[in-house]
Amino acid sequence: QVHLQESGPGLVKPSETLSLTCTVSSDSVSSGSYYWSWIRQPPGKGLEWIGYIYYSGSTNYNPSLKSRVTILADTSRKQLTLKLSSVTAADTAVYYCARGGRDGYNLFDFWGQGTLVTVSS
Amino acid sequence: DIQMTQSPSSLSASVGDRVTITCRTSQSISIYLNWYQQKPGKAPKLLIYAASNLESGVPSRFSGSGSETEFSLTISSLQPEDFATYSCQQSYSTPFTFGPGTKVDIK
Repeated sequence: QVHLQESGPGLVKPSETLSLTCTVSSDSVSSGSYYWSWIRQPPGKGLEWIGYIYYSGSTNYNPSLKSRVTILADTSRKQLTLKLSSVTAADTAVYYCARGGRDGYNLFDFWGQGTLVTVSS
Repeated sequence: DIQMTQSPSSLSASVGDRVTITCRTSQSISIYLNWYQQKPGKAPKLLIYAASNLESGVPSRFSGSGSETEFSLTISSLQPEDFATYSCQQSYSTPFTFGPGTKVDIK
């Protein structure tokens, strides 16, 4: 079983940088067989994929957010970090981290419980 | 980006009903389509991957079918715990995209 837990500030001011951490309970964070994604969901809306990172450090970002997003991985601490700069109210959402890539399929089989981030002054 | 649509956007059904939800994509994605269930305040849960493969631990009343641009999720006999929102996700190419969701509630 894989357990993921997001953490970070629940309130961020406009124009600032949102920073979240995801702690993973499994050694699979160091496996090249999986990648680790951030996915968000604005209140009452659908899911939006933000990007992913392999333990090697290789990343892939959603072009709609690419200029503002950085995803980092610290495999020794089993932690992933999401940084989203220059936030606006449109970035208000529940942010999830999730494991992807099992058996070569781009599915998300384990998710954190999510953390709500509100962008407001 | 591959655009996703789902129909219906919501439906009301009774326990025991057979329910089918459709997902359409803006371009062919072969079989690279996943389905998730999401309950209020909870993270999505993977139900079906690669169009028709049942995720381990998911009840067999859930099934998926389709290919190319049209897919469906069927619940053969709706149970009380199945009232939730269902979303599809294309896994063919990045950026991965999700459907807007179909809310299944109690009639």
